[in-house]
Amino acid sequence: SQTIHQWPATLVQPVGSPLSLECTVEGTSNPNLYWYRQAAGRGLQLLFYSVGIGQISSEVPQNLSASRPQDRQFILSSKKLLLSDSGFYLCAWSDPGAGNTIYFGEGSWLTVV
Amino acid sequence: GDSVTQMEGPVTLSEEAFLTINCTYTATGYPSLFWYVQYPGEGLQLLLKATKADDKGSNKGFEATYRKETTSFHLEKGSVQVSDSAVYFCALSEYGGSNYKLTFGKGTLLTVNP
Repeated sequence: SQTIHQWPATLVQPVGSPLSLECTVEGTSNPNLYWYRQAAGRGLQLLFYSVGIGQISSEVPQNLSASRPQDRQFILSSKKLLLSDSGFYLCAWSDPGAGNTIYFGEGSWLTVV
Repeated sequence: GDSVTQMEGPVTLSEEAFLTINCTYTATGYPSLFWYVQYPGEGLQLLLKATKADDKGSNKGFEATYRKETTSFHLEKGSVQVSDSAVYFCALSEYGGSNYKLTFGKGTLLTVNP
């Protein structure tokens, strides 16, 4: 069966520091991968998605970037964090050949102080 | 563009009460519809889905029917439990160029008291 893991689960970072959140999917190949953000008291916002290695689409302009160095690895990064980057970040995947259901990881809490 | 509107919470119920969380949508095409649940401190779990009109998704006692004529996908459960306390998200999925994308509602916090 397919599984998705992301880490770290919790992160407290000072303003201006870098960020790296990592996500991996097991049990499938060539998945579509996604990064969502859930700000406090708000809904979910799609940040990036990827349909293949090295292929990244950005949904909103922001202080973050994403990379997909391997088929089942998706990384969310920032060179300099802002206070507004605080939130709950969710990695997700879908099987492009098996419909449109998207499955989420456990999430990473980021607090920028 | 696509959008999802769900009833604002919080919703507070007593155990064994009947639950309805309303969800309506607007979409340019023919979307699939989903309910996700988020338990405290966790990621989102798929609760149920429906892919075409009049389909009923069901799981763990929850149900929702895809109503194309009213563009709705209301979530219901006949008898809630304390363990159902969570945030519930309605979402739609449409194909957009190269990929399916989910559009979420803002979520409804449900608290069930014993």
